[in-house]
Amino acid sequence: GDSVTQMEGPVTLSEEAFLTINCTYTATGYPSLFWYVQYPGEGLQLLLKATKADDKGSNKGFEATYRKETTSFHLEKGSVQVSDSAVYFCASSNFGNEKLTFGTGTRLTIIP
Amino acid sequence: DVKVTQSSRYLVKRTGEKVFLECVQDMDHENMFWYRQDPGLGLRLIYFSYDVKMKEKGDIPEGYSVSREKKERFSLILESASTNQTSMYLCASTRTSGSSYEQYFGPGTRLTVT
Repeated sequence: GDSVTQMEGPVTLSEEAFLTINCTYTATGYPSLFWYVQYPGEGLQLLLKATKADDKGSNKGFEATYRKETTSFHLEKGSVQVSDSAVYFCASSNFGNEKLTFGTGTRLTIIP
Repeated sequence: DVKVTQSSRYLVKRTGEKVFLECVQDMDHENMFWYRQDPGLGLRLIYFSYDVKMKEKGDIPEGYSVSREKKERFSLILESASTNQTSMYLCASTRTSGSSYEQYFGPGTRLTVT
């Protein structure tokens, strides 16, 4: 079945550091890929998405590129802020299947 | 602005009680989902529904049931709450049409069973 594997946390970085959170997927067909973010005490919000190979999703300074050859969708940000402290989830869905498969989440803490 | 709401943010129940968690969406979405979120396990799908009165089991349905009498409302029922059902419960919804199936989430209900 489909699965998503993401970098285990927790991850702690200093403000303005470069961030990478790795995500790889296994799926039949061509899934859509997502990054969700969960701020403390809240539900999940969509951060960015990509629906086909080589697409780049971006939002709030975060980026992720859909790499079919490496089945990856790594999340990156050039300069993190304290307000980026949250849990980040990578997820995939296959066309025609409304269910999402989630990774286990990566807790990110940014220290001033 | 799209919205998924859940009836309670925090809930404390006793072992053996029947518990109802309610979720309402205002986006006219066909599909609705219930997940539970536990540390180190991520989100696990309990049940989902793709139409009124339709339901399908997710990955961990044991101990839970659901009800969908109206398109906008999806209820999760714990028939006899147990301490191992202490968790964060998240509701989500999405359209059937389209290619990306982005899910919209509610704020979550943190349930404690004592």
